[in-house]
Amino acid sequence: DVKVTQSSRYLVKRTGEKVFLECVQDMDHENMFWYRQDPGLGLRLIYFSYDVKMKEKGDIPEGYSVSREKKERFSLILESASTNQTSMYLCASTPGSRAYEQYFGPGTRLTVT
Amino acid sequence: GNSVTQMEGPVTLSEEAFLTINCTYTATGYPSLFWYVQYPGEGLQLLLKATKADDKGSNKGFEATYRKETTSFHLEKGSVQVSDSAVYFCALIFTGGGNKLTFGTGTQLKVEL
Repeated sequence: DVKVTQSSRYLVKRTGEKVFLECVQDMDHENMFWYRQDPGLGLRLIYFSYDVKMKEKGDIPEGYSVSREKKERFSLILESASTNQTSMYLCASTPGSRAYEQYFGPGTRLTVT
Repeated sequence: GNSVTQMEGPVTLSEEAFLTINCTYTATGYPSLFWYVQYPGEGLQLLLKATKADDKGSNKGFEATYRKETTSFHLEKGSVQVSDSAVYFCALIFTGGGNKLTFGTGTQLKVEL
């Protein structure tokens, strides 16, 4: 079975902290994605990666960075967390040949206080 | 740019009622269209897809037909169950236009006994 796991289901951090969200997939997928999900706004793409050490900005990259040192792992970094980054964060992966068939992790609900 | 518009929710139905969730899109060209479903506490999963005009995608009793003339991809089910309660997202992608899905804002469905 295809599996995407995220390091935490719930996370509470203080304003100004550096936050790491980890995502691991076990399907040898080339592409990995980070989204945030907010009520009334749906899913918005933050960053994606189509290969190890490669990354591309999505629609809302400001305030975030990413790291992909190994094919199976894609990390989202909030350099200095702010309250407007309180959200649900979803990671997804997909094989290069079927870009639409994204496999999602369960999400991390991040609260920044 | 490309966009997807879904009807606002929540949609509340009684079990065995007929379901329609409207989805229209704006795009230059002819994208592939998808419905994703997010059950409570889980990530999104692909429900069905259609890759060209007049295609009908179907899965688990749900159907949607790609209508080029009305730029629509409405989701339907003849008889909903309590277990169908979830958030439904319409999405599009352009083949050869990268790996980025564009999602609608999601429609929450609540099915009651």
